[in-house]
Amino acid sequence: EVQLVESGGGLVQPGGSLRLSCSASGFTFNYWMHWVRQAPGKGPVWVSRINSDGSRTDYADSVKGRFTISRDNAKNTLYLQMNSLRVEDSAVYYCARERGGGELPIDYWGQGTLVTVSS
Amino acid sequence: EIVLTQSPDFQSVTPKEKVTITCRASQSIGSSLHWYQQKPDQSPKLLIKYASQSFSGVPSRFSGSGSGTDFTLTINSLEAEDAATYYCHQSRSLPLTFGGGTKVEIK
Repeated sequence: EVQLVESGGGLVQPGGSLRLSCSASGFTFNYWMHWVRQAPGKGPVWVSRINSDGSRTDYADSVKGRFTISRDNAKNTLYLQMNSLRVEDSAVYYCARERGGGELPIDYWGQGTLVTVSS
Repeated sequence: EIVLTQSPDFQSVTPKEKVTITCRASQSIGSSLHWYQQKPDQSPKLLIKYASQSFSGVPSRFSGSGSGTDFTLTINSLEAEDAATYYCHQSRSLPLTFGGGTKVEIK
């Protein structure tokens, strides 16, 4: 069974940092991986993706220069380092997988971790 | 950025009724359009990939059609468990984008 389990969310002040983790199991961790966020009552918004060996990363303009996606394939774990956090970054953050290398759909999502940026 | 516009925003439907949700892309995306179902306090689940291909384990009452800029998700004979918000999503180009969602309520 595919499992993606996020952790690391919490309450942080504006300007602060958080590091999210996503532990993957139930499949071979050679998928492209994504972070997608969703504010309460809103639709999902794509944040970032990384290819299977970590050599390519892409970001939404809204987080470029502030967030860094990375992965440790030996630990089957995906990360999102979030710096200079803003109130508008508050959302549930999901990790998700994609088979990779083309216009493939995201096929499985984790349950999400809540990030709240507030003073 | 490719904008996906869904309609309607909300639909209240009687069980066994047919539901049709549309998604319009701001530019042609071929068939790189996928549909997700999200129930309250759950993550999105893939229903339909590439406009019309059912994802593994999805009930046959869910179907999709379309290409280019206009797409449709159809739920035949709605069941109570189908109460959810449905989102379209394009994987044609970055940034990946999602529609605003259609909430389906059971009358």
